[in-house]
Amino acid sequence: SYELTQPPSVSVSPGQTARITCFGDELPKQYAYWYQQKPGQAPVMVIYKDIKRPSGIPERFSGSSSGTTVTLTISGAQAEDEADYFCQAADSSDSWVFGGGTKLTVL
Amino acid sequence: DVQLVESGGGLVKPGGSLRLSCSVSGFTFSRVSMSWVRQAPGKGLEWVGRIKNKTEGGTTLYALPVMGRFTISRDDSDNRLYLQMNSLRTDDTAVYYCTAGGGGGSYWGQGALVTVSS
Repeated sequence: SYELTQPPSVSVSPGQTARITCFGDELPKQYAYWYQQKPGQAPVMVIYKDIKRPSGIPERFSGSSSGTTVTLTISGAQAEDEADYFCQAADSSDSWVFGGGTKLTVL
Repeated sequence: DVQLVESGGGLVKPGGSLRLSCSVSGFTFSRVSMSWVRQAPGKGLEWVGRIKNKTEGGTTLYALPVMGRFTISRDDSDNRLYLQMNSLRTDDTAVYYCTAGGGGGSYWGQGALVTVSS
């Protein structure tokens, strides 16, 4: 079955740039989406269609794509950005697949 | 404002059934594909299935672990999405979220906890 692979954890100091990667064989053919989830809360979409940012999401969040890897970049990470981040894409049957999630620590 | 509100969660015995409902407001529900996503305690997100809008055929698609046991339906006249869950197993225990969007979940509900335990 199709899988999306993320690092389990990423740590940065406040103000630094955080990069979270997501690898998947189908990513050159499918859009990727990124979600932020804080403890006890529902996920929030922060990037859609690889690089687009929904309204209301701070400009420090950006997405990029290169071949089988997509990357979520948080430029100038803040304490409030500490959360779990999940990538998501569709497989060839149009089923959604999620990455395992990356815990971002800002300290 | 966009709102998605799940209801119907609770405690059920293995082999039992439960129906979740998701009430939607703030956008034209009938035009949007809808999905259910679940999250087991302390785990990541798992897609359950989706239903397309009527214009796209209203078709459903399910993840393998729930195929044949879960059914997704929608009532566009009432702006509601449903998840009928039968033959529940202990590993179906999770928070179930409804989410709106085709390729990805643009909007999410707050989730409904389903606990399957004897």
